[in-house]
Amino acid sequence: QKEVEQDPGPLSVPEGAIVSLNCTYSNSAFQYFMWYRQYSRKGPELLMYTYSSGNKEDGRFTAQVDKSSKYISLFIRDSQPSDSATYLCAMSAEAAGNKLTFGGGTRVLVKP
Amino acid sequence: EPEVTQTPSHQVTQMGQEVILRCVPISNHLYFYWYRQILGQKVEFLVSFYNNEISEKSEIFDDQFSVERPDGSNFTLKIRSTKLEDSAMYFCASKGLAGLNTQYFGPGTRLTVL
Repeated sequence: QKEVEQDPGPLSVPEGAIVSLNCTYSNSAFQYFMWYRQYSRKGPELLMYTYSSGNKEDGRFTAQVDKSSKYISLFIRDSQPSDSATYLCAMSAEAAGNKLTFGGGTRVLVKP
Repeated sequence: EPEVTQTPSHQVTQMGQEVILRCVPISNHLYFYWYRQILGQKVEFLVSFYNNEISEKSEIFDDQFSVERPDGSNFTLKIRSTKLEDSAMYFCASKGLAGLNTQYFGPGTRLTVL
């Protein structure tokens, strides 16, 4: 079983729709959960981060963590064509400076 | 807004040659990382660096790889004798001391080994 699994997509939605992304993981030691956005041949850009379980909202983005199910989600409301990118989940265990383990990324295409 | 920078953006080298990839982390950050991403694959951890020493490294980070912080601002990754399979995007990341494990990534160096 892979440590972090993410559907590669592509996920195609019309402009204004809600984009729903998720990852599952197997390592119960993971405590920090991040979502990054990556445009083609660019570096990952940090979008959201959460610690342990719960929800976090920032503008059009909502991140959810369900540690009991080992499942994390990212929702993008009112999607725009500029949201078209690959979205990577990443996570790490407790302790400062721990390495990130990434999912393979979900490619999202928002059509005008 | 402060950001991680990397040079060069693209490096082409012959197999067996040494390359040095350079990074300038965010100025008040204390944890530094190298990751790589082979085309079409996941971002993979290579090495983390804190307090002037390696704190963790992956299986990929063998004797051909080394890291250095030669001065107060730069952080480098050296590959001593490049192989074809080292062709990838290499990302530098940095993190501040406190708080969540929020690592900020640079734009990457695309390494092509011929």
